[in-house]
Amino acid sequence: NAGVTQTPKFQVLKTGQSMTLQCAQDMNHEYMSWYRQDPGMGLRLIHYSVGAGITDQGEVPNGYNVSRSTTEDFPLRLLSAAPSQTSVYFCASSYSGTSGVGGTGELFFGEGSRLTVL
Amino acid sequence: AQTVTQSQPEMSVQEAETVTLSCTYDTSESNYYLFWYKQPPSRQMILVIRQEAYKQQNATENRFSVNFQKAAKSFSLKISDSQLGDTAMYFCAFMKYYKLVFGAGTILRVKS
Repeated sequence: NAGVTQTPKFQVLKTGQSMTLQCAQDMNHEYMSWYRQDPGMGLRLIHYSVGAGITDQGEVPNGYNVSRSTTEDFPLRLLSAAPSQTSVYFCASSYSGTSGVGGTGELFFGEGSRLTVL
Repeated sequence: AQTVTQSQPEMSVQEAETVTLSCTYDTSESNYYLFWYKQPPSRQMILVIRQEAYKQQNATENRFSVNFQKAAKSFSLKISDSQLGDTAMYFCAFMKYYKLVFGAGTILRVKS
């Protein structure tokens, strides 16, 4: 059982380049999300999805695009990378229940992707 | 908007001793989840413990327990019998309607 798989683990980009961070989960989770982790700021939500075809913005969505064409995959696209997007990115998924607070709560995280924009 | 505050950037504890990490949060919601996540140097995010706001009983997982004070909006984590493997960054987090809000984290170092 692979869980949540992120690729690549490390990436260096030049300002203005585009790239896609891939995220795939094999747990049939409805909910998927992307976070970025910066020193002294914890993790901040970029975008999330509660099911195929449904996405929404989190706290820091600017500069990022997402789509959810299948239950398994939730790629994060940087259309024109900027140095401010240098960060560690985490994909996370969860079973989306009907408890009214967003499911059972537990997020399963990928191993993270370290992105450096020069 | 919800906010989560961890006022202790760094803490250290001797092996086998007990340590408490503090967390406060701000919300107008009445039903939500609270979590503590551990991030060791490997960078992996590991769920330590979860608390449902409507449950008055404090959650416990082996050596880890919480002190949940809903009225005070406080959610501290107590680690008993600290082990070297507990050395990590610890994040407190609040969840409502699919959105997880994290605190800035507390670095815990367990010394032998």
